[in-house]
Amino acid sequence: QLQLQESGPGLVKPSETLSLTCTVSGGSISSSPYYWGWIRQPPGKGLEWIGSIYYGGSTNYNPSLKSRVTISVDTSKNQFSLKLSSVTAADTAVYYCARLSGYGVRSDYWGQGTLVTVSS
Amino acid sequence: EIVLTQSPGTLSLSPGERATLSCRASQSVTSSYLAWYQQKPGQAPRLLIYGASTRATGIPDRFSGSGSGTDFTLTISRLEPEDFAVYYCQQYGGSPLITFGQGTRLEIK
Repeated sequence: QLQLQESGPGLVKPSETLSLTCTVSGGSISSSPYYWGWIRQPPGKGLEWIGSIYYGGSTNYNPSLKSRVTISVDTSKNQFSLKLSSVTAADTAVYYCARLSGYGVRSDYWGQGTLVTVSS
Repeated sequence: EIVLTQSPGTLSLSPGERATLSCRASQSVTSSYLAWYQQKPGQAPRLLIYGASTRATGIPDRFSGSGSGTDFTLTISRLEPEDFAVYYCQQYGGSPLITFGQGTRLEIK
């Protein structure tokens, strides 16, 4: 059974960089036809796609966040990562990692999510 | 940007009743690229329907999806207690590449 697990700091100071890693177990991150992505959800609000990556390194980002986002993949560790720079309180959210099947069309496996709070 | 508008915002029904949830897109969405998710409090979303009408693995057949173009519908034929949750539609292919509707809360009447 495929499992995804987010890890990283739960508290980030304003203007700093948020860094999260998603570890994939029970399957290879290098398999097709899957992308691997990050989706966030501010407390009490809806879902926002941040971006996705293919194991070969091809990325897609949400234009509203593109200038601040980097998603990378480490196939040797079966992990992919998110970096979001210059964070503000508006970036406070539960961050989910997910497998996107059909070459990135839909999210069929999700991590449990991790709450990241931006506060000094 | 393709905006997905879900209605109603909140739907109050009783177990055993039929639920009909709507998702309207601001531009035409390829049916293959329309999905529905269920989210319960404190949990990650779960994929219910993809390709507008295909149930994901393990999803009961009381859940069905339909629609094309700009109008899509999720129907739950007979509500079970565990179906009360928030439901999101999602599209792929516009800009941003992936967007979600704002959600419909299905609550027990």
